[in-house]
Amino acid sequence: AQKVTQAQTEISVVEKEDVTLDCVYETRDTTYYLFWYKQPPSGELVFLIRRNSFDEQNEISGRYSWNFQKSTSSFNFTITASQVVDSAVYFCALSGGTSYGKLTFGQGTILTVHP
Amino acid sequence: NAGVTQTPKFQVLKTGQSMTLQCAQDMNHNSMYWYRQDPGMGLRLIYYSASEGTTDKGEVPNGYNVSRLNKREFSLRLESAAPSQTSVYFCASSEAGGLNQPQHFGDGTRLSIL
Repeated sequence: AQKVTQAQTEISVVEKEDVTLDCVYETRDTTYYLFWYKQPPSGELVFLIRRNSFDEQNEISGRYSWNFQKSTSSFNFTITASQVVDSAVYFCALSGGTSYGKLTFGQGTILTVHP
Repeated sequence: NAGVTQTPKFQVLKTGQSMTLQCAQDMNHNSMYWYRQDPGMGLRLIYYSASEGTTDKGEVPNGYNVSRLNKREFSLRLESAAPSQTSVYFCASSEAGGLNQPQHFGDGTRLSIL
């Protein structure tokens, strides 16, 4: 069975601080994909990134960066110089070899960025 | 760009009533999904449809049925609503098959059952 754990239920930071959201996953599949989604207060889910199990390169997109470490089964997400607009719930999700695109989500981390 | 459209956005039901949640996508995606989101539990898959004409159970299918009406539309039906089904329901779609396609989500339906 697959499992995704986001141990941080809520994080509160002040604008311009850097913040890292943790994600730890469990799977027996050798081929799998990891995703991050953002859910702003308006409620929709926005796709942020996808990473496959064979690509451990870190990725940076503007103020966002992702650190994938297969050895520790982690896929952490860092926001640099946070802004109020980053306030949202962030979900990490996993799609494994036998699950045919079905996503297993973590519980989500509520990020609040104060001005 | 409509993407994934869910109707209604809000609904209040009484225990025992039936209800169908509608979902339509205009991205020509083959796969569609229904999730429910409950506080502190992330999203959980109810049913999915890998392609037109097929449906399959997800993690929490009890109390629900689905219909893949055509390639665009995937509906979720509550035959006899129960308070435990109070939740926010999300429909999603993705391109044909496989693990690696990101899913695109609708705005959700907030359902309360009294």
